[in-house]
Amino acid sequence: DGGITQSPKYLFRKEGQNVTLSCEQNLNHDAMYWYRQDPGQGLRLIYYSQIVNDFQKGDIAEGYSVSREKKESFPLTVTSAQKNPTAFYLCASSPAGGADTQYFGPGTRLTVL
Amino acid sequence: DAKTTQPTSMDCAEGRAANLPCNHSTISGNEYVYWYRQIHSQGPQYIIHGLKNNETNEMASLIITEDRKSSTLILPHATLRDTAVYYCIFYNAGNMLTFGGGTRLMVKP
Repeated sequence: DGGITQSPKYLFRKEGQNVTLSCEQNLNHDAMYWYRQDPGQGLRLIYYSQIVNDFQKGDIAEGYSVSREKKESFPLTVTSAQKNPTAFYLCASSPAGGADTQYFGPGTRLTVL
Repeated sequence: DAKTTQPTSMDCAEGRAANLPCNHSTISGNEYVYWYRQIHSQGPQYIIHGLKNNETNEMASLIITEDRKSSTLILPHATLRDTAVYYCIFYNAGNMLTFGGGTRLMVKP
């Protein structure tokens, strides 16, 4: 089965702890993306990567970090510097970067207590 | 910024066609219009996209006006499972998708 997986579906962390969200795809897509969604709002871009070992900041990168060591994987770390980390996090991939159709994972809902 | 305008919410009777409008007056000549939908607490799902011509696939039809300043997504026979938030979007100057608030479609029995 081809697709994008995110784990876990729900994640709880104490304030001040770093947490890493997983995103894996077996679609052989070059580009991957991380979005954040707050209740009742649209998606906002955190980071994106158009090729292995390269990534760029999106609109709201502060307090987040990423790595792209493998084509299939694009983990997102929510650091303690992120002021309001509780949100729904969505990972996506596309065959190539730029204006190409993006395919989304099921999301991870992070709650910081 | 690539901006679209959509109604906040719409209702549709089950089995009827759902017509979701979108205004995108700032779209440039080579930008595609994309439609995604998001069912509650799930990742957005790609529906369809188009440039100038009307498009149809197994999920929906997309009608784009000749001046390309607006488009309409048509779900020909809406079902309860089509209840979702529908996003009309296109890529901004940095080649990134910009998601607005979308239209919350409620399909009612």
